Amino acid sequence: EVQLVESGGGLVQPGGSLKLSCAASGFSFSDSPMHWVRQASGKGLEWVGRIRSRSNFYATVYAASLKGRFTISRDDSKNTAYLQMNSLKIEDTAMYYCTRAYCSGTSCYLAFDHWGLGTLVTVSS
Amino acid sequence: QSALTQPPSASGSPGQSVTISCTGTSSDVGGYNYVSWYQRHPGKAPKLMIYEVSKRPSGVPDRFFGSKSGNTASLTVSGLQAEDEADYYCCSYAGSNNYVFGTGTKVTVL
Repeated sequence: EVQLVESGGGLVQPGGSLKLSCAASGFSFSDSPMHWVRQASGKGLEWVGRIRSRSNFYATVYAASLKGRFTISRDDSKNTAYLQMNSLKIEDTAMYYCTRAYCSGTSCYLAFDHWGLGTLVTVSS
Repeated sequence: QSALTQPPSASGSPGQSVTISCTGTSSDVGGYNYVSWYQRHPGKAPKLMIYEVSKRPSGVPDRFFGSKSGNTASLTVSGLQAEDEADYYCCSYAGSNNYVFGTGTKVTVL
């Protein structure tokens, strides 16, 4: 069974940093592109960014609105993806989800088939 | 990148159909056939219902139908069942390896 479990959320002051983790199990993590998505209270989902697999050079891409403050990484030996968040702003307060790109057979698609339950990040003084 | 526009709510009686729209621009919905739809029940993780506009992953009932015309994608749920009551989100590829989600629609089964 595919499982994604986020952790590391909490309360942080504006300007602070936080590193989220996403522990994966039940699938070939090292072959899977992994994404982060967030949702502020009462708002819709917002795509944060993505990291590809080793065979794709761990390429990362981010939502332009983040302006370089967030960094996604992964440790395939630990089946874990990370989201490093720096210079946090009040508007970064949200539930953060990791999700896996939908892959079937040898093809991966521009969609997300498994999600974690999220970890809550609150940015407040 | 602005969020895709969805109606806040939609409803239907059991057995009826409900259609949810998802309006974007030529830079996202209209420019690519990479629209996906997600169902989310309270406290649960989102579930992929449709990908590439109209394709269903294994296990998704054929009561769920996706389509697209111009800059607007749609999800139709036919034969509404109580378990279909949930929030639904669309998502579109927006070029340059970016994605944009919809604002979300709460579907109520009357």
